[in-house]
Amino acid sequence: EIVMTQSPATLSVSPGEGATLSCRASQTVSNNVAWYQHRPGQGPRLLIYGAATRATGLPARFSGSGSGTDFTLTISSLQSEDFGVYYCQQYFDWPGTFGQGTKVEIK
Amino acid sequence: EEQLLESGGGLVAPGGSLRLSCAAAGFRFSSHAMTWVRQAPGKGLEWVSGISGDGNSAYYADSVKGRFSISRDNSGGTLSLEMNRLSAEDTGVYYCAKGILIVVMTAIDSWGQGTLVTVSS
Repeated sequence: EIVMTQSPATLSVSPGEGATLSCRASQTVSNNVAWYQHRPGQGPRLLIYGAATRATGLPARFSGSGSGTDFTLTISSLQSEDFGVYYCQQYFDWPGTFGQGTKVEIK
Repeated sequence: EEQLLESGGGLVAPGGSLRLSCAAAGFRFSSHAMTWVRQAPGKGLEWVSGISGDGNSAYYADSVKGRFSISRDNSGGTLSLEMNRLSAEDTGVYYCAKGILIVVMTAIDSWGQGTLVTVSS
């Protein structure tokens, strides 16, 4: 199965600062990558699909990029509600594997 | 508004069985693949099983193949997961999730709140 590796494991960011999250696939997944935000007690929330397409209603401060094996989620100006764990996922091949997550903490 | 409501979780002894259900509302159910994703305590997300919108294609993670069975009722808007021969490794929160497309290999754009399954004696 395809392994998705995320970095860093934890990110501490002050409100207003930018954040860059990385995700690497063990083999090419074209642009079949999604990013999700997961907060405690809630279901995950889709942010980005197709590597770069924002989900409906997602603020423009979130952007995704990449193709092949290397992908990036960028939050341009972090807000307090952006805390949580962020997962990348490939849906190029079954099973649709998730990365291990990057925890974003508000400094 | 799209809604996914899971039910059926609970405490079950090792080797036992459990059936999870998910009631969907707010979208054309048959036009979307549906998926079960789980999260073990302190761990990340794991895609467990997926079924296409027409119900003709079903996929399972190796860890549950032969023990779990996914099904859907497009007339009633419900998704089910029959889980047999449960072990402690199956403990976790199980999420019902809706795919963007009708095929299983698609991003997930809507998630339920999850139902907790605990396998313990």
